Amino acid sequence: QKEVEQDPGPLSVPEGAIVSLNCTYSNSAFQYFMWYRQYSRKGPELLMYTYSSGNKEDGRFTAQVDKSSKYISLFIRDSQPSDSATYLCASVSGSARQLTFGSGTQLTVLP
Amino acid sequence: DAGITQSPRHKVTETGTPVTLRCHQTENHRYMYWYRQDPGHGLRLIHYSYGVKDTDKGEVSDGYSVSRSKTEDFLLTLESATSSQTSVYFCAISANQRDEQYFGPGTRLTVT
Repeated sequence: QKEVEQDPGPLSVPEGAIVSLNCTYSNSAFQYFMWYRQYSRKGPELLMYTYSSGNKEDGRFTAQVDKSSKYISLFIRDSQPSDSATYLCASVSGSARQLTFGSGTQLTVLP
Repeated sequence: DAGITQSPRHKVTETGTPVTLRCHQTENHRYMYWYRQDPGHGLRLIHYSYGVKDTDKGEVSDGYSVSRSKTEDFLLTLESATSSQTSVYFCAISANQRDEQYFGPGTRLTVT
């Protein structure tokens, strides 16, 4: 079992929809959580970085961490065609030197 | 954008030949990483460096070696390329081990 599991999709939604992207993790030592966005043929870029449980909001994006259930979510409000990309979740423990990535969810927002 | 460049951006090589990929950063970050990305597997760590001449293995290090003689450069070498090493290779950097990582544009390697 991978330490970070992510539904690969693909996920297709109409413009303006609320998108929910999810990951689960198995390592209780994970403390830091990130979401990356990757456009086709580009490198991943950081969207959100959170520590501990709770919500973090940045514009149309909200990252949510529930450590009790080991669940990570990214919500996108008022989705736009420009949000079409692959979204990767990642986690790291306090002592580790490396991130553990999910396999990514491919999202398409239809105009 | 973080100052990370990768070279070459594309390469086609034959099985059995040596290949070296270069990552160069202008951010003076301590940590540098090499990942490969394949369909269905996401990003997998090959090797990483936590300082000049300090490197360690990642999840999929077999068949790869790395070197870091300067803060700004991190080299990934395939001593004898195999078709299973056909992939997209990304370099990443971070200031500290728990900080966000910034990724380069990637190198698309095809081994025929």
